Amino acid sequence: DAGVIQSPRHEVTEMGQEVTLRCKPISGHNSLFWYRQTMMRGLELLIYFNNNVPIDDSGMPEDRFSAKMPNASFSTLKIQPSEPRDSAVYFCASSPNGLAGQETQYFGPGTRLLVL
Amino acid sequence: SQQGEEDPQALSIQEGENATMNCSYKTSINNLQWYRQNSGRGLVHLILIRSNEREKHSGRLRVTLDTSKKSSSLLITASRAADTASYFCATDGGSRLTFGEGTQLTVNP
Repeated sequence: DAGVIQSPRHEVTEMGQEVTLRCKPISGHNSLFWYRQTMMRGLELLIYFNNNVPIDDSGMPEDRFSAKMPNASFSTLKIQPSEPRDSAVYFCASSPNGLAGQETQYFGPGTRLLVL
Repeated sequence: SQQGEEDPQALSIQEGENATMNCSYKTSINNLQWYRQNSGRGLVHLILIRSNEREKHSGRLRVTLDTSKKSSSLLITASRAADTASYFCATDGGSRLTFGEGTQLTVNP
């Protein structure tokens, strides 16, 4: 079975440009998570969805970040405009039953973003 | 802020030796999980231990949980070079999973 799929795997862009990261969760999973990983701050939860509805977006750094989940098989994380400090690895993860902290999360391979 | 804190930050051992990593956390939990991350990859779930459990095994992995001390340990026995990775504990304090900063384990062949 395919795991969590993320695209692109690598993105290099210039400051001020819009960046869109994409995620396809594991089929049948009800929850989807977006994380950001940096050396300085470690792994941070940005937002998570349950049944396509945003449940907790308190980790979204600022208005430049937005996330959508139009259906159960697709989510996007958008940064507009991007800044150099957004450079990080962005992970998408999914879990089966919507019990956000209480079950295994399955991570995608990540998108490595570099903003110049 | 990070809920879990791993100790040590880095650990280097020889193949065949055991590796022990520790995790401390601050608030009450329902469960604690350990994940592994190979360089340049996503995190992979290793084991979940519930707050009413004290010890759990999975292959060469042994996890203990002491809720009175708010700490957990991950033991990898008979380590292999392929075990080289970062290891993270993750705790749930409610509706989200919070990851520690990780222990970088290097197993030298």
